[in-house]
Amino acid sequence: DVKVTQSSRYLVKRTGEKVFLECVQDMDHENMFWYRQDPGLGLRLIYFSYDVKMKEKGDIPEGYSVSREKKERFSLILESASTNQTSMYLCASTLPYTGGTEAFFGQGTRLTVV
Amino acid sequence: QKEVEQNSGPLSVPEGAIASLNCTYSDRGSQSFFWYRQYSGKSPELIMFIYSNGDKEDGRFTAQLNKASQYVSLLIRDSQPSDSATYLCAVNNYGGSQGNLIFGKGTKLSVKP
Repeated sequence: DVKVTQSSRYLVKRTGEKVFLECVQDMDHENMFWYRQDPGLGLRLIYFSYDVKMKEKGDIPEGYSVSREKKERFSLILESASTNQTSMYLCASTLPYTGGTEAFFGQGTRLTVV
Repeated sequence: QKEVEQNSGPLSVPEGAIASLNCTYSDRGSQSFFWYRQYSGKSPELIMFIYSNGDKEDGRFTAQLNKASQYVSLLIRDSQPSDSATYLCAVNNYGGSQGNLIFGKGTKLSVKP
């Protein structure tokens, strides 16, 4: 079974802190994604990566950056956390099939910025 | 902007009834269609996918696809209280990043005992 693991289930951080969210997948998937999910707004794509050291902006990249130094690991970085970044963050991975394939999700990180 | 539209609900059905969840999408080039179930506070999990026009059945779940109408639906037969969750429709982002999916905002289903 594919396993996507996020480093933390719950996090509480202070405004202005630099925050790292880590995601690791064990199925050698090329594509990895970071979403945030808020009530009424659904899943919104922050960044994605289709190869090591490659990244592309999603729909809402402002205030975030990412790092992919190894194929299995994709990190989301909040450069200076703000209260409007309080949300559920979901990592996902897929195979690189252009027709679309199943996305496997991590368990989610609920981040609260105070 | 490519879009996937779902009725947000809540959709309430009695136990044992058929629940019908609907989704429309804007991109005619979409090829793959997915239904995810998400329990409150949990991450989405795949329950069905469909690539071809028509019906696809898996246990109590049936996915229906009509590409001409850009419409995909999920039927849940003999609904159980454990089916109460938010159901997300997703389609592949044709012409976009490989493997990227566009998600609807989800329909909340409540099955009453």
